[in-house]
Amino acid sequence: GAVVSQHPSRVICKSGTSVKIECRSLDFQATTMFWYRQFPKQSLMLMATSNEGSKATYEQGVEKDKFLINHASLTLSTLTVTSAHPEDSSFYICSAGIAGVSGEQYFGPGTRLTVT
Amino acid sequence: DAKTTQPTSMDCAEGRAANLPCNHSTISGNEYVYWYRQIHSQGPQYIIHGLKNNETNEMASLIITEDRKSSTLILPHATLRDTAVYYCIVRVAPGGGADGLTFGKGTHLIIQP
Repeated sequence: GAVVSQHPSRVICKSGTSVKIECRSLDFQATTMFWYRQFPKQSLMLMATSNEGSKATYEQGVEKDKFLINHASLTLSTLTVTSAHPEDSSFYICSAGIAGVSGEQYFGPGTRLTVT
Repeated sequence: DAKTTQPTSMDCAEGRAANLPCNHSTISGNEYVYWYRQIHSQGPQYIIHGLKNNETNEMASLIITEDRKSSTLILPHATLRDTAVYYCIVRVAPGGGADGLTFGKGTHLIIQP
């Protein structure tokens, strides 16, 4: 159990376009989902916390108007990278926690974004 | 959350036990020790967590010292598929996973055939 999926797994887009990444909890309801970014040879960095039905909370230095997060249901959160630039090329990973359980988080497989 | 210190990399022979240390000397009484790992180009995977007692599951064992200032993750019979970066994370008492995780640099464990 506790499976999180992401779609797409890999995307290439042109500079200036927008890309949407979906994160789904397949067998549980997630009131909170998280978005991370990982640049090559670096560790994961938390970008934002997404709560179902409310606005996301962004970490310092993350532009909320550039990285739009929507958490419309208990099983789906989306991250839209708007007006993407080559420096946005990264590995984007979501995770979800199960409310009331022991605090471990379950991660999606990640989305590799390349902006040309 | 308390800071953790881990070796940058470790090697282990296939079939042997892999022992990964983590120092967390500033850990607070209500903070748990969590271990995750990330295989190359995949999302992190939860391994195990504990407060003060030793813990064991199907993946690994977690040994926490009595003063809780350090811990060791043990993979009892390492396989090539255990090659990954292992992260030790200390965080406050679980509250339904409501907080994002702070990842350090972790330990790159390389299992040698």
